Amino acid sequence: SQTIHQWPATLVQPVGSPLSLECTVEGTSNPNLYWYRQAAGRGLQLLFYSVGIGQISSEVPQNLSASRPQDRQFILSSKKLLLSDSGFYLCAWNPGGPGNEQFFGPGTRLTVL
Amino acid sequence: AQSVTQPDIHITVSEGASLELRCNYSYGATPYLFWYVQSPGQGLQLLLKYFSGDTLVQGIKGFEAEFKRSQSSFNLRKPSVHWSDAAEYFCAAAGFQKLVFGTGTRLLVSP
Repeated sequence: SQTIHQWPATLVQPVGSPLSLECTVEGTSNPNLYWYRQAAGRGLQLLFYSVGIGQISSEVPQNLSASRPQDRQFILSSKKLLLSDSGFYLCAWNPGGPGNEQFFGPGTRLTVL
Repeated sequence: AQSVTQPDIHITVSEGASLELRCNYSYGATPYLFWYVQSPGQGLQLLLKYFSGDTLVQGIKGFEAEFKRSQSSFNLRKPSVHWSDAAEYFCAAAGFQKLVFGTGTRLLVSP
């Protein structure tokens, strides 16, 4: 069966520090991968998605970036965090094809101080 | 542009009462539709999905949803709510390579 992992589970970082969040999927190959953010009391905001290694689509211009160095690995990064980057970050995957049902990871709670 | 609307930000239901959460979509063709649930501090879990066929879809945890093309709706229902159903519920529709989510409805369950 397929599983999706995110780490770390929680993170507290100072403003201006770098960020690296990792997402890994097991039990499937060539998944579509997604990064979402939930700010406090708000809905889901799609940040990036990837349909293959090295292919990244950005949905919202901001100081975050994403990379997909391996088929089942998706990384969210920032060179300098802002207070507004605080939130709950969710990674998701789907097998592609019609319907795009997505399966979500457990999330990473990021607090920028 | 494709969009999904959940008009209720919060809903409070008494335990044991019935529940209906509203979802409306704006799509050119018959969409693929989903309902997800999110407990605090957790990821999203798929409750049910509609692709085609029978317009009444059964899901996990006793939930069901009905697709109504004439009303562009995909409302989520449960006949008797349990305290453990308190969570955030998201409706979504499949776009090209991604899902379009509604803004969510927070369900509160009163004793």
